[in-house]
Amino acid sequence: DTAVSQTPKYLVTQMGNDKSIKCEQNLGHDTMYWYKQDSKKFLKIMFSYNNKELIINETVPNRFSPKSPDKAHLNLHINSLELGDSAVYFCASSQDKIGVLFFGSGTQLSVL
Amino acid sequence: SQQGEEDPQALSIQEGENATMNCSYKTSINNLQWYRQNSGRGLVHLILIRSNEREKHSGRLRVTLDTSKKSSSLLITASRAADTASYFCGVISGSARQLTFGSGTQLTVLP
Repeated sequence: DTAVSQTPKYLVTQMGNDKSIKCEQNLGHDTMYWYKQDSKKFLKIMFSYNNKELIINETVPNRFSPKSPDKAHLNLHINSLELGDSAVYFCASSQDKIGVLFFGSGTQLSVL
Repeated sequence: SQQGEEDPQALSIQEGENATMNCSYKTSINNLQWYRQNSGRGLVHLILIRSNEREKHSGRLRVTLDTSKKSSSLLITASRAADTASYFCGVISGSARQLTFGSGTQLTVLP
């Protein structure tokens, strides 16, 4: 069974569209994250979410919004997509805020 | 601010040789973690070293931590072609409580 799963794996869309990426973890972890990896492989944290506490990286545009229906899910919604949003987005989870992260396999987002 | 800067950006070695990758960071840390990323996949955890530890081993992996120099190194001994991947260090700072990474070291092990 996949511990952290995210869908879709590939997402191709036009500028200006709104899209969502879903993430689910079956590890019973309390904390979930979204990371963005750019074309140079730099991995940047976007959000962490723990027991309804949301920590947002201040450089993330407010077009990006995480939504957590329950502890096992943290979806990423993106409004008004821009070319610069093209990247690989990774979901991850951990038991606590300072522990080991378990990553999903990533979503390759291409904005045309 | 960016933490966990890996060096070198790319490393190419022959199978059987040792590979050493370095990581530098800027602020005090709670722990430092090394991860591996195969092409097209997510990151996989390798080793976690706490701020009060100086060295840890796991199989062919050896990690050192020097908090006075704010640096860590990952040594892979007797490398194999299957070790070809990107390696990232992530740091959890005392205040931020979030794991932050750099751009990784791309290791290529030639058969």
